[in-house]
Amino acid sequence: EDQVTQSPEALRLQEGESSSLNCSYTVSGLRGLFWYRQDPGKGPEFLFTLYSAGEEKEKERLKATLTKKESFLHITAPKPEDSATYLCAVWEGTALIFGKGTTLSVSS
Amino acid sequence: DVKVTQSSRYLVKRTGEKVFLECVQDMDHENMFWYRQDPGLGLRLIYFSYDVKMKEKGDIPEGYSVSREKKERFSLILESASTNQTSMYLCASSLGGPFGYTFGSGTRLTVV
Repeated sequence: EDQVTQSPEALRLQEGESSSLNCSYTVSGLRGLFWYRQDPGKGPEFLFTLYSAGEEKEKERLKATLTKKESFLHITAPKPEDSATYLCAVWEGTALIFGKGTTLSVSS
Repeated sequence: DVKVTQSSRYLVKRTGEKVFLECVQDMDHENMFWYRQDPGLGLRLIYFSYDVKMKEKGDIPEGYSVSREKKERFSLILESASTNQTSMYLCASSLGGPFGYTFGSGTRLTVV
């Protein structure tokens, strides 16, 4: 049973076209939801941690939000350099459990 | 910044070979992890370790073993490599719990 589900699997945007990525989770008693960015051929890099419903974090064109059942990664006016795979993960007490990721492509 | 170094970026091995993937971190982290990443399947946890000489099975430990003789080094061992172990292998370390989780650049292993 999947604990972390990300959608869509792939997303193509034009430069400047804002959108959102979704991460839904089924872990009870959430102790942290994490967003990572992964470029091709590299390991994931940490972006945000969210702990409680209503929390928001921002970094440049990215904003992460959290509800009781899902998180959104909002991308405002994306640029080609935002193209990457975005991974969501939850902490289930022993290790991070990852979703399958959303691959974002931004064209100019 | 914490650095997690995986000894090889690319490896090609033959079926049946014993394969060692090495991972070293330089920040005195207690916890270390091995994941594999496959298209359509995402990152899956193979093994992790909370201390020297300690190991715990993750979600997909079959066909793998690990060794942690020193705090900074965590090795993944494929006792007899098979073609279904062709994958990207990612090592990570953390301060404790999910905090300060840092990944290496990965080793892309091909078993032929």
